[in-house]
Amino acid sequence: DTGVSQDPRHKITKRGQNVTFRCDPISEHNRLYWYRQTLGQGPEFLTYFQNEAQLEKSRLLSDRFSAERPKGSFSTLEIQRTEQGDSAMYLCASSQAAMRRGLSTGELFFGEGSRLTVL
Amino acid sequence: SQQGEEDPQALSIQEGENATMNCSYKTSINNLQWYRQNSGRGLVHLILIRSNEREKHSGRLRVTLDTSKKSSSLLITASRAADTASYFCATDNSNYQLIWGAGTKLIIKP
Repeated sequence: DTGVSQDPRHKITKRGQNVTFRCDPISEHNRLYWYRQTLGQGPEFLTYFQNEAQLEKSRLLSDRFSAERPKGSFSTLEIQRTEQGDSAMYLCASSQAAMRRGLSTGELFFGEGSRLTVL
Repeated sequence: SQQGEEDPQALSIQEGENATMNCSYKTSINNLQWYRQNSGRGLVHLILIRSNEREKHSGRLRVTLDTSKKSSSLLITASRAADTASYFCATDNSNYQLIWGAGTKLIIKP
């Protein structure tokens, strides 16, 4: 069991640069989530995939943010033209949705996060 | 937006004592979950309680849910130094996502 892995763990960039984060979920999980977390706060939902389909995207996600999950496996989160306000921990989580649960969200398995610092 | 609110924001107790954290939420839910986060790390799932359940146990953890008051509590008995972490409640309201509180920072003093 390799768990959820995220890369890179830390990224320092200058304002205006583009950054990309990668998430490898637990292999049999069909749901994948991206969250953002700032110091002293709980995770904020960014977006959600079921297999390769992006089903939900937060209004917090400006058009500078884009996420993909090609072939329903790993996912990438790209932030274009970074701003200092983008500095945060970006968390990826995965879960296995049981069909009978419908919209219910079960236990999420989180990666260790990718910490972004924008100078 | 954050639905859950944990109380207290911070809690410091002696090793061996019990720690109680509370969570309040605003809308109806399918389930409520508690997670732990060590500093700078990812979150780890502790326990899930469904809306039709009132109490659940897992090892030293006891969770209660009162849907009429829209509140939950997490009790950690016989605390250990390794329990030092932030604890978050998250509610599932059938919207594909969990809604999180700001967490309770728990410090266990040796």
